[in-house]
Formats: sequence, structure tokens, C-alpha cells
Amino acid sequence: DAKTTQPNSMESNEEEPVHLPCNHSTISGTDYIHWYRQLPSQGPEYVIHGLTSNVNNRMASLAIAEDRKSSTLILHRATLRDAAVYYCILTNSGYALNFGKGTSLLVTP
Amino acid sequence: EAGVAQSPRYKIIEKRQSVAFWCNPISGHATLYWYQQILGQGPKLLIQFQNNGVVDDSQLPKDRFSAERLKGVDSTLKIQPAKLEDSAVYLCASSEPGGTSENEQFFGPGTRLTVL
Repeated sequence: DAKTTQPNSMESNEEEPVHLPCNHSTISGTDYIHWYRQLPSQGPEYVIHGLTSNVNNRMASLAIAEDRKSSTLILHRATLRDAAVYYCILTNSGYALNFGKGTSLLVTP
Repeated sequence: EAGVAQSPRYKIIEKRQSVAFWCNPISGHATLYWYQQILGQGPKLLIQFQNNGVVDDSQLPKDRFSAERLKGVDSTLKIQPAKLEDSAVYLCASSEPGGTSENEQFFGPGTRLTVL
């Protein structure tokens, strides 16, 4: 599986937008970009995914670079409940997720 | 819709003892995964089932770990004998039939194992 690179941690103020970056320079043409997050003491939960075009859902937006070598997860208004570890994952085989260490997001009031 | 159920939520055992974890996936989900998450790391796949067949168990330490999914629904993961390094959270996840790259995985709350 192609690997991803994310910052270890980021900090945001409550009610401000948050941009979480992910680099995946070795992405293949058939790799989907998935984002999951893990709240403290819980299992990971799906956030969003995309292939080539930018995507929006009720939780977040996903901006994918034109060359697909990087992407950004956008939380439009961070809340305290958004404090979690965010994982950027590439999937090609369509099966198991290959988690890295992710980005630990701290949201301050 | 009920989520993925796991039990027990917590387990403390001594090294060399045996332990078993149970998972009930979301109804109708053909694919079931067991992940191991060591403190400070992301989850790592141990085994993946499609219905009751094994798709990938390449990272399962087969000398001590075993898993089964009878009748393609519930699954159990067993460790025998446990080692100190097995202390981790064991996560079960499931996804819908098809197993494409777009399929969302749904995770249970996990079982936190402490081996003393």
C-alpha cells in the first residue's frame, strides 16, 4: 500500500476552520483517499473519502490536489468534540485499512 | 441500526494465560476485520474475513493467535498463551458486501487487554 505523511499534531481554536494536510506522493491511479478519526477511548470512525474530485459531506470537506499527491481534510468550524486523531489512508485493494500514526488534533476553547 | 458489538470491554490477565474476544458485526456485513492497536500507534490489521473465509491473515501471529467466524456472522479472536507485548486494544470492524475501495468500515468500541 502507498504510504501517507501527516503532521504528528495540530492545534485549533474552537469555531475556527481546521485544515489537516496529508501527503501521498506515491499514490496510484486507483487508490482512494480515506479519512478516519478516532475519538479518545473509541474505535475509529469514517469521515470522508474521495478519488479525484473534491468531496463534501456533513462532517467535513476533502480537497484533493490536481496531481493527487496531497489532500487536505477541512473541518469548517472545529468544536471540542472534534478533538481526535485523524488518519489519512490510501486504499487500493479495497480491503483492510493501513493506519499510520495520524494527526492528533487539539481544539481549545 | 445497531453498531458493531464487542465484548468484553476490558480484560486483565497474567502472561501465559488465555483470553478470547467476541465480535458481532453489523447485520448483513459480509466482511469482518480484527485490528490490534498498541498505545500511541494506529490500528494494525490482524485478520480479515469475507463471510466465513479468511481473506488476509498475513500479520496474525499464528503461533499464539487464532480467529474464527462461524456461519459468517459472529467472530472470536483468541490468544493462547498471552505475552506482555499483547497488551493493546483489539478492534473489530465490518463492512458491506463487495469489499471495494469505497466501502466504509464500521468499528466497534474495542476490547482493552492488559497482560501482567
